Amino acid sequence: GESVGLHLPTLSVQEGDNSIINCAYSNSASDYFIWYKQESGKGPQFIIDIRSNMDKRQGQRVTVLLNKTVKHLSLQIAATQPGDSAVYFCAENITVGNQFYFGTGTSLTVIP
Amino acid sequence: DVKVTQSSRYLVKRTGEKVFLECVQDMDHENMFWYRQDPGLGLRLIYFSYDVKMKEKGDIPEGYSVSREKKERFSLILESASTNQTSMYLCAGATSGDEQFFGPGTRLTVL
Repeated sequence: GESVGLHLPTLSVQEGDNSIINCAYSNSASDYFIWYKQESGKGPQFIIDIRSNMDKRQGQRVTVLLNKTVKHLSLQIAATQPGDSAVYFCAENITVGNQFYFGTGTSLTVIP
Repeated sequence: DVKVTQSSRYLVKRTGEKVFLECVQDMDHENMFWYRQDPGLGLRLIYFSYDVKMKEKGDIPEGYSVSREKKERFSLILESASTNQTSMYLCAGATSGDEQFFGPGTRLTVL
């Protein structure tokens, strides 16, 4: 199967600081990537996505960066808030069959 | 809002029992998926379906089967539950080429 991994399993940041969560993927043919947020006891929620024809995409307080050369994806959260505490997953889409492959997740803790 | 619902949030079953996990989506998604989520392993795909009465094995189909008799409903079946099937089960729906929408999950404990 595909390898989608996160560099750090846990991350703690001070409230108000910026957070950066990283993800490596292995299939250079992947063309669609998603970041999900999962709060305790809930299913994953879509945060932001990016297609392989882009390097950067911005949402509200979040930015996703895609570096296809090194097969690396990152999620930046600006001015991190306590409500951002959750597990964050990256997902990689293999176009044939619309299957996604998920990383194991990074647990983000925001310190008030 | 897109809704993907799962029949139970928590379920406790005994070894050897037949278990049905139901998933319903209201967005007319062609594609539906069943995953299990375990600490340190992330989401692993069990089965998926692209259309009614159609199913494909994912990465870990052993011990599971699925049924999709209607477009909006995708059921996961554990024919004979075992303790190693204790896990969080997540259902998702998607339109091809787009994000997957997840249900709230069912935490299954097999005793």
